[in-house]
Amino acid sequence: GAGVSQSPSNKVTEKGKDVELRCDPISGHTALYWYRQSLGQGLEFLIYFQGNSAPDKSGLPSDRFSAERTGGSVSTLTIQRTQQEDSAVYLCASSLNPGRNSPLHFGNGTRLTVT
Amino acid sequence: AQSVSQHNHHVILSEAASLELGCNYSYGGTVNLFWYVQYPGQHLQLLLKYFSGDPLVKGIKGFEAEFIKSKFSFNLRKPSVQWSDTAEYFCAVNVMDTGRRALTFGSGTRLQVQP
Repeated sequence: GAGVSQSPSNKVTEKGKDVELRCDPISGHTALYWYRQSLGQGLEFLIYFQGNSAPDKSGLPSDRFSAERTGGSVSTLTIQRTQQEDSAVYLCASSLNPGRNSPLHFGNGTRLTVT
Repeated sequence: AQSVSQHNHHVILSEAASLELGCNYSYGGTVNLFWYVQYPGQHLQLLLKYFSGDPLVKGIKGFEAEFIKSKFSFNLRKPSVQWSDTAEYFCAVNVMDTGRRALTFGSGTRLQVQP
């Protein structure tokens, strides 16, 4: 269908609470990526999925962060015990395959604010 | 680990001025290079890409970029900017030798074109 869909678009949460962010990739895209964009910073890589497995999770900043992907489609990024430094825009991207000829298609992101 | 530097954080130009945004990367091996653009309120989208061959690549909307291997650079250019080019521009690199699939992004350059 349309592009990459992320929900919610905005999330405000209190410090210490857990949050779940959702990503619906483009149908048929096997590769899925999570990035984080903080104010004044570039895009920080978090984790990459190929199908349901995550061969590269080197960017997850701490063990409070986890992600899963089911059915080779939807992915959720979970942040436990949120901290103020977790405030950022979380971007999801998908590509047809992880090869170099498949550009990334980004969603609009989830803006997370931890108060 | 590879890194991408965009030295111009905020550029202000008048319409019809020429544009050049700098991008340097740190890895000396085989790389794929990209420029992504984020228009206000929209998601990131691919502007152009370099994989191999002619080091001067042309993208959408009159943009082009030149890969200079000896300088580890991939600068973005446009001869004459328009107000509609106001956006944030991100350079990204994928290092082919490592097998890592995720792109490494620069911190972005915010371009403001004044009418």
